Parts: sequence; structure tokens; C-alpha cells
Amino acid sequence: KQEVTQIPAALSVPEGENLVLNCSFTDSAIYNLQWFRQDPGKGLTSLLLIQSSQREQTSGRLNASLDKSSGRSTLYIAASQPGDSATYLCAVRPGTGANNLFFGTGTRLTVIP
Amino acid sequence: NAGVTQTPKFQVLKTGQSMTLQCAQDMNHNSMYWYRQDPGMGLRLIYYSASEGTTDKGEVPNGYNVSRLNKREFSLRLESAAPSQTSVYFCASRRDLDTDTQYFGPGTRLTVL
Repeated sequence: KQEVTQIPAALSVPEGENLVLNCSFTDSAIYNLQWFRQDPGKGLTSLLLIQSSQREQTSGRLNASLDKSSGRSTLYIAASQPGDSATYLCAVRPGTGANNLFFGTGTRLTVIP
Repeated sequence: NAGVTQTPKFQVLKTGQSMTLQCAQDMNHNSMYWYRQDPGMGLRLIYYSASEGTTDKGEVPNGYNVSRLNKREFSLRLESAAPSQTSVYFCASRRDLDTDTQYFGPGTRLTVL
């Protein structure tokens, strides 16, 4: 069974700092990987999706990379802002294209003004 | 567009009581999903509906039933609630099985005493 791990569980950084969130998965046979943002008491918002054939995706200050062979993905946030404070989740879709997404437990990010 | 809506937002039940969590989407999506989110664990898929009239089990279906009432609505029923079902429940939808962006509702926080 696919297992997804995110380290650290929590991270605090001063405003303006660049930061990296990590996600690792045990089965490299994936269909794609997604990064989500979750605000307290809210649902999940999709940030970036990387197909298994891609190495990275960028959206604004966010850049996600994928190293399928080593079972790792990173989410890079440039010039962090207090509004970036949230929990960031990664989720893997199995290589069979099955409907089940396997989620990590998330990294809770706090950006201090 | 309201996106994905869920009712109720909060609910407290006693062990053995039953209830139905409601979910509706106004994006004309074919596929709908129910997840649960527990502390220290990633979101886990309970049931999904690939299209109107079909439902399938996910990773943790025991103790739950679902109904795809029509294309817009997908309900989750707990017939006899147990404390282990205390969780936050999220509904999600996506256009079809081959598209990857899932849109999530705000969640229902359920406590079973």
C-alpha cells in the first residue's frame, strides 16, 4: 500500500523567507502527485499537479518538483507571506490511475510577520 | 457558483444514532467522493461515485453507506454511529475520472460520544 510522509509536521518562518516542504512516498509507480492547501476549518484547495512524466510545475511563487525514482517531491515557496500560513498536503494517485488518492498528514506552515 | 457544499458543518451524535451527511456540487461534475480526515493521518477515501448511478468502496468503507441521488448530490450515511467515526468528513468532486483536479467542500466535523 502506498504510504505518503510529510516532514516536518510544522514549520515557522519569518516573512520573506524562501522555504521548502517535503513529501515522500513509498511506491514510485505513481500516476501523478498533487499539492493542496488547507486553511483551518476549510476544505482543500489544489495548488499544483505534477504528472508522472513531469519534473516540476510552477504557479506564481510556488514551484513543485517530482523525483519519482527516489519517491520524493518538494514544494518551494518563494518570498513567503503571512497569507501563506496554512497546512500543505501532498497526495499521490497510484500508477494504475485508480481513483484513490493517498494523502500525507501535512505540514502546518506559519509565516510570522 | 457555490462549488461543493456540505451540510451540516458540525454534528454531535450519541453512539448508535444514525445520520446522513449531505453533499452537493454545482459544477456539473461526474465523479464525487467522500473522505475522512483524522488527526495524525492523511485523508482517507470512504466511498466514491464515478458517475450518476454508480458507487464504489474506497479505503475505509466499513460502517458507512452512500447514495448518489442525482448528478449533483452524493450523501453519506452512518447507520449506527460509533466513537471511531469521530472525524472531519470531506466531500469532493471532479469532472470525470480522467481529470485530476478535485474540488473539496468545507467539511463536516462529526463527534460521536
